[in-house]
Amino acid sequence: GAGVSQTPSNKVTEKGKYVELRCDPISGHTALYWYRQSLGQGPEFLIYFQGTGAADDSGLPNDRFFAVRPEGSVSTLKIQRTERGDSAVYLCASSPQGVDGYTFGSGTRLTVV
Amino acid sequence: AQSVTQPDIHITVSEGASLELRCNYSYGATPYLFWYVQSPGQGLQLLLKYFSGDTLFQGIKGFEAEFKRSQSSFNLRKPSVHWSDAAEYFCAVVFFSGGYNKLIFGAGTRLAVHP
Repeated sequence: GAGVSQTPSNKVTEKGKYVELRCDPISGHTALYWYRQSLGQGPEFLIYFQGTGAADDSGLPNDRFFAVRPEGSVSTLKIQRTERGDSAVYLCASSPQGVDGYTFGSGTRLTVV
Repeated sequence: AQSVTQPDIHITVSEGASLELRCNYSYGATPYLFWYVQSPGQGLQLLLKYFSGDTLFQGIKGFEAEFKRSQSSFNLRKPSVHWSDAAEYFCAVVFFSGGYNKLIFGAGTRLAVHP
């Protein structure tokens, strides 16, 4: 597609459940980023992929969060044993090599009840 | 460490008035800077970016930004605000490490426009 696609757009889950959030980047973009945006805050970096490997996962808050990008395209952010504090909008961005061309998806709004 | 500060959490202006949103960055070398806008329920849209060269940059929707190295600032301006400009605005700086880069965002400024 022409842009970064994120699914689902909204996800409501119960505390303690497992969720997966999907990001489909722009074709050919080798770099993929996940960000988390809590209410009233700016996007906070979670993890960066270059190709299939996670080059920087320093932003993942704890070991309940994990992300994969097995074929260097689609990425999945996985959250185990969700907590109410995980409620936020999760944004995905992709870019070609270099500092230009970051494109963000519309995000997945996760609500943990 | 790289960081971005947006001192104003909320700003309200009247339609037709001028606007300036402040952004200060912390970075040891020449920064790469961005301004994004986010309307309610929407994704981040790039307004403009600074990589090098001139200090005054034109972006989309009539926005411009001025880079002042001496003040470590990259303030966003618009001469005449429209009601449709009401949104949240984020300043961001590129952080470089180990051959890759990532965006670091400020906390944002929420703009309200009075008719």
